[in-house]
Amino acid sequence: KAGVTQTPRYLIKTRGQQVTLSCSPISGHRSVSWYQQTPGQGLQFLFEYFSETQRNKGNFPGRFSGRQFSNSRSEMNVSTLELGDSALYLCASSLARDVGWDEQYFGPGTRLTVT
Amino acid sequence: GDSVTQMEGPVTLSEEAFLTINCTYTATGYPSLFWYVQYPGEGLQLLLKATKADDKGSNKGFEATYRKETTSFHLEKGSVQVSDSAVYFCALSDRSGGGADGLTFGKGTHLIIQP
Repeated sequence: KAGVTQTPRYLIKTRGQQVTLSCSPISGHRSVSWYQQTPGQGLQFLFEYFSETQRNKGNFPGRFSGRQFSNSRSEMNVSTLELGDSALYLCASSLARDVGWDEQYFGPGTRLTVT
Repeated sequence: GDSVTQMEGPVTLSEEAFLTINCTYTATGYPSLFWYVQYPGEGLQLLLKATKADDKGSNKGFEATYRKETTSFHLEKGSVQVSDSAVYFCALSDRSGGGADGLTFGKGTHLIIQP
């Protein structure tokens, strides 16, 4: 079974631009979560999507948004890029069981550099 | 809010040495606890987990015990190998509020094993 895939793997953008990152979850997984990883702040939860709806959200400004499609694939968008948005963006998928603990499987990430 | 504290390192050990990476947490509910590992250029992989107090998670020679009384989940391995060199993240998931809440991560511990 293929793992979580993220595209593109590397991206360079200029301040003020916007960017869209893509994530394809493991087949059969219904939940997709996004995380930002930076040297200063570490790994921080952005948001989680389930059945095309944002189910949970971390503490990030409205410039960060996402969506999920009917095939569970997800995109995240960052508008008006700032230098501080330079980070590794990780996507994770899970089965989203109704009860109990739910293992998240991570993709390799998209490395975004803002200049 | 929830938080995870772990030693950041880098931690440098010789091959076959004993490893301990400390992790303590703060959570309002009854969290599940995890150790993730990140190899260079890759996403996160789940190493082990414990979903309730006194549970012991184990995998690939690594162990960690969920200690509710000390709010700790220390990672141990009896004899490390060069291939264990990576960044290790302690994390928690507090689902007491319902839904698939995002993982809360520690800052990560960079482990370097020298031959």
